[in-house]
Order: sequence, then structure tokens, then C-alpha cells
Amino acid sequence: DGGITQSPKYLFRKEGQNVTLSCEQNLNHDAMYWYRQDPGQGLRLIYYSQIVNDFQKGDIAEGYSVSREKKESFPLTVTSAQKNPTAFYLCASTDTSMNQPQHFGDGTRLSIL
Amino acid sequence: GQNIDQPTEMTATEGAIVQINCTYQTSGFNGLFWYQQHAGEAPTFLSYNVLDGLEEKGRFSSFLSRSKGYSYLLLKELQMKDSASYLCAVIFTGGGNKLTFGTGTQLKVEL
Repeated sequence: DGGITQSPKYLFRKEGQNVTLSCEQNLNHDAMYWYRQDPGQGLRLIYYSQIVNDFQKGDIAEGYSVSREKKESFPLTVTSAQKNPTAFYLCASTDTSMNQPQHFGDGTRLSIL
Repeated sequence: GQNIDQPTEMTATEGAIVQINCTYQTSGFNGLFWYQQHAGEAPTFLSYNVLDGLEEKGRFSSFLSRSKGYSYLLLKELQMKDSASYLCAVIFTGGGNKLTFGTGTQLKVEL
């Protein structure tokens, strides 16, 4: 069954702590994306990667970091520098052929303890 | 900026038809997507428009006018399960396959 898997579904962060959100896809997609969604808001792009070992900042990259060592995996680290991390985080992937729809994982809800 | 504008909320009656509008800046436009998102869940792809006109998929249709920077999503024969947020997202040239999302329209279907 092809798809995108995000884990964990719920995550709690303590003050000063870094946490990492997992995103794995078996769709053989080259491009992967991380979005943040706040209540009543649209999706805002954090980071994206169009090929292994390469990634670019999105609109709200401050306080976040990513890596793309494997095609299937695009983990997002929420660092202690992100002062307002409470949000719903969505990972997506797509084929890099023009204008293919992005496919989304089920999301991770991050809260502060 | 590349603002995408949608109404925040809409309410409609079961069995009726509803039209959700989306406007965007026309400069650099390279395609428009509609997604459905139920609360706490992943967005799911509904439709894609890049040329002017209407794309029909069962109860859902999407229209695009590139010259006006305007799209709408038309939902027919509304069902209670259609209560969700509907997200309009645009690809602009020069951004690879990056999507710029509107804030979404929360649709409530009532009896």
C-alpha cells in the first residue's frame, strides 16, 4: 500500500527541547514538503526538498531544520529556537513532473508541556 | 505577495449546491488545486485546473478563469460528510512545485 507515514501522531515538547517529526513515503516521489497549520489557518511551508541531499527554506523556516539523506525520508526537527511550536504539522510528497498533486500524511500534532 | 483569498466560512443545506470562491494574483500563475480537509486530518486532493473552464468530477466541479485570477469549487447534492475545510492552492512559476495555500473555507452542511 503506497502512502506517506508521519509519526508520532501526537508529540509533546518541554521547554528548551528539540523534537524530531518523522515522515516516510513509499510513493517513489522525488519532492517532499513540510507544512505547519495553525487553527483556522491555511498551510504554511516550512521546508521542502526536490531531490535527495538538497532542501530549501520555505516561508517560515526559522526555528526548524530538516535533512534528506534518503529519498523516502524527510524528518523535521523543531528546535528550541522555535518559540511557538504548538501546531499541526503536515508532510507531503509529489512527483516532480509538472503540476502533480501533493499527497499528504496524517499529520503530527505538537504541543508544549 | 502571492495572496490567495477565500471566504472563511460558509453554511449550506443538505441536498443543496454550494460554490466556494478563490481569488489569486494572476502574475506567474501556473496551476490551481482544490483540497478537502476534515478536522485533524490530512488534506485530500479534489481537483486541478490550469486551463480556463470547468472540470467535473462527480458531485464536485472546479472552474478557472486565468484572466480574472478566479476559481470556484462547486459541490452538488450536498451531504453531511461534505462538512470540512476546502483549501485553494496555487502554483506560481519559478517555485518548482511549491504550493501557496489560501486560509481555507470552512463549510458546514446542515439538515
